[in-house]
Amino acid sequence: QITLKESGPALVKPTQTLTLTCTFSGFSFSATGEGVGWIRQAPGKGLEWLALIFWDGSKRYSPSLKSRLTVTRDTSKDQVVFTMTNMGPVDTATYYCAHTFDIIVRFDSWGQGTLVTVSS
Amino acid sequence: ETVLTQSPATLSVSPGERATLSCRASQSIANNLAWYQQQPGQAPRLLIYAASTRATGIPARFSGSGSGTEFTLTISSLQSEDFAVYYCQQYNNWPPITFGQGTRLEIK
Repeated sequence: QITLKESGPALVKPTQTLTLTCTFSGFSFSATGEGVGWIRQAPGKGLEWLALIFWDGSKRYSPSLKSRLTVTRDTSKDQVVFTMTNMGPVDTATYYCAHTFDIIVRFDSWGQGTLVTVSS
Repeated sequence: ETVLTQSPATLSVSPGERATLSCRASQSIANNLAWYQQQPGQAPRLLIYAASTRATGIPARFSGSGSGTEFTLTISSLQSEDFAVYYCQQYNNWPPITFGQGTRLEIK
């Protein structure tokens, strides 16, 4: 059974950098095809894909946010770390990490999400 | 960027009846489409991928169809737990991976 859980600050100030950690179990980045994505959802709004990292270390980012995003993996801890710089109020959202397999990117397991509020 | 347009925005259906949700892509995405269900306060749940393949554990009353630019999610006999928001997502032309804006399925 695959599980994922996001952790990080609930509140960040404008211009600060957000760092979130996704801790997972039930799969390993040592296996070909595994991937973890980040998706966010502003309050009352739809889903927005942000980033994805694969088992081989390759990464993909949303073109509209690419300059602000970084995703890395720690294979020894089964964790993925997501950072977003220069946070603003429009970045207030629930941030999810989710599992996918292979380049056929469907997110078959999701974390519970973590609400991040950007406010001074 | 491939834009996904879902219709209707809100669908009112009685329990036991059939619900049909649509997703239209701005360009061909072959069959590279997934559907998700989201209950209030919960993470999305994968229902369908490859346009018509049910994910593990998804009841047979959920079915997907379509290819190219037109896709449909059908729920054959609505149960109380099916009233939720549904999103489509494409993974053919990416990045970016894109989602539709959602269809809210409510009890009539």
